[in-house]
Amino acid sequence: KQEVTQIPAALSVPEGENLVLNCSFTDSAIYNLQWFRQDPGKGLTSLLLIQSSQREQTSGRLNASLDKSSGRSTLYIAASQPGDSATYLCAVTGGSNYKLTFGKGTLLTVNP
Amino acid sequence: DTAVSQTPKYLVTQMGNDKSIKCEQNLGHDTMYWYKQDSKKFLKIMFSYNNKELIINETVPNRFSPKSPDKAHLNLHINSLELGDSAVYFCASSQGVTGGPFEQYFGPGTRLTVT
Repeated sequence: KQEVTQIPAALSVPEGENLVLNCSFTDSAIYNLQWFRQDPGKGLTSLLLIQSSQREQTSGRLNASLDKSSGRSTLYIAASQPGDSATYLCAVTGGSNYKLTFGKGTLLTVNP
Repeated sequence: DTAVSQTPKYLVTQMGNDKSIKCEQNLGHDTMYWYKQDSKKFLKIMFSYNNKELIINETVPNRFSPKSPDKAHLNLHINSLELGDSAVYFCASSQGVTGGPFEQYFGPGTRLTVT
C-alpha cells in the first residue's frame, strides 16, 4: 500500500527566503508525482507534474525534483512571497488503476 | 470558464437525510474522481469513473453511490447521512482512455456539514 509523507507539517519563513518542502513515498512504482497548492477554503491547484522518467520540472520560482529510486521529491520555492502562503500537497500516481495517493501536506506561511 | 465545477459549494443537513453533490467538467476528459478531505485535511480518493464506468471504489460505505450520466458529469449521492460524513468533497478529472497517469484537475470542493 502506497504511503506518502510530507515534512515538515508546517513551515513559517520570512519573505524573500528560499525554501524546500519534502515528500517521500513508500512504493517507487509510480507513474508520476504531482505537487498541488491548496488555499484555505479552496480547491487544489496543480503546480507541477513530474513523470516517472523525469528528474525535475520548473515553473517560475518553483522547481520540483524526483528521485524515484529513493522515493523522494522536493519542491523548491525561490524568493518566497506572502502570496505563497498555502498548504502544499504532494501526490503520486500508481497502480493498475492510476490511483492518486496524497500526503497530508505542508502548511507554509510566508511573513511580510 | 470553470474547468471543473461542483454544486453546491456548501451543504448543511441533518443526520439521516439523503443528499447529492453534482460535478461537471468541460475539459473533455474521460476520467472523473471523487475525493474526501477530512477534518485533518487528509485527502483520500473515494471513486473514479472512466467513460461512465466505475474503475476505483475505495472501500467506501455503500451509502455513497456515484452516478455518471455522461463522461462530463459525476454526481455523488449519499444516503442516511452520518456525523462522520462531514468533510469537504472534491471532484476531479483527467484525460486518457483508462484514466492514465495524467494530471488531475480539481473542482472547488463541497463542504458538507452533518448536524
